[in-house]
Amino acid sequence: GAGVSQSPSNKVTEKGKDVELRCDPISGHTALYWYRQSLGQGLEFLIYFQGNSAPDKSGLPSDRFSAERTGGSVSTLTIQRTQQEDSAVYLCASSLVNRGGNQPQHFGDGTRLSIL
Amino acid sequence: EDQVTQSPEALRLQEGESSSLNCSYTVSGLRGLFWYRQDPGKGPEFLFTLYSAGEEKEKERLKATLTKKESFLHITAPKPEDSATYLCAVLTSGGSYIPTFGRGTSLIVHP
Repeated sequence: GAGVSQSPSNKVTEKGKDVELRCDPISGHTALYWYRQSLGQGLEFLIYFQGNSAPDKSGLPSDRFSAERTGGSVSTLTIQRTQQEDSAVYLCASSLVNRGGNQPQHFGDGTRLSIL
Repeated sequence: EDQVTQSPEALRLQEGESSSLNCSYTVSGLRGLFWYRQDPGKGPEFLFTLYSAGEEKEKERLKATLTKKESFLHITAPKPEDSATYLCAVLTSGGSYIPTFGRGTSLIVHP
């Protein structure tokens, strides 16, 4: 079946511009996560959605970052007034949620964001 | 604070040379431990979930095992196509749905 889909796969923009990154999770997955991965670094958690609500947005690095999810499906991560330090790969993951709360995440291939 | 430590950071093997990657964790209670493989330019690919000490899972040349404090990913007779970064992550019993990831082990298998 279809996996997690992210678009665009690559984005180059100028410092100060706004960018929107899109994530289509696996159908039926109610949990959705955004992560950031810089070159040679580990995964940095940004935000978690359960359905359309975000019970944990503790990883968003500044108020320039925001995310929403609509219809319990597609999610958009928006970065306003981009800075060079925002350059990274942005990964989205989705998972089922069961009573045990112990289902694995399934990742997309990410959006590689480069700020000039 | 939950911690996940992977070792070694990098590992170079000759084709056919078996070895093990380690993931040690200090968490309040384990709901699940996950292994992923990440190829350059790709997102992490799910490999295994382990839920309780003593559990083992196998897939081709990979076998994952779990104790109360660590997990091992054993690679038997590796091939160059096994080269990748291997990540482990844990979910703890505190109720959070956010797994804690290790920094990964970068594996290179030379032909």
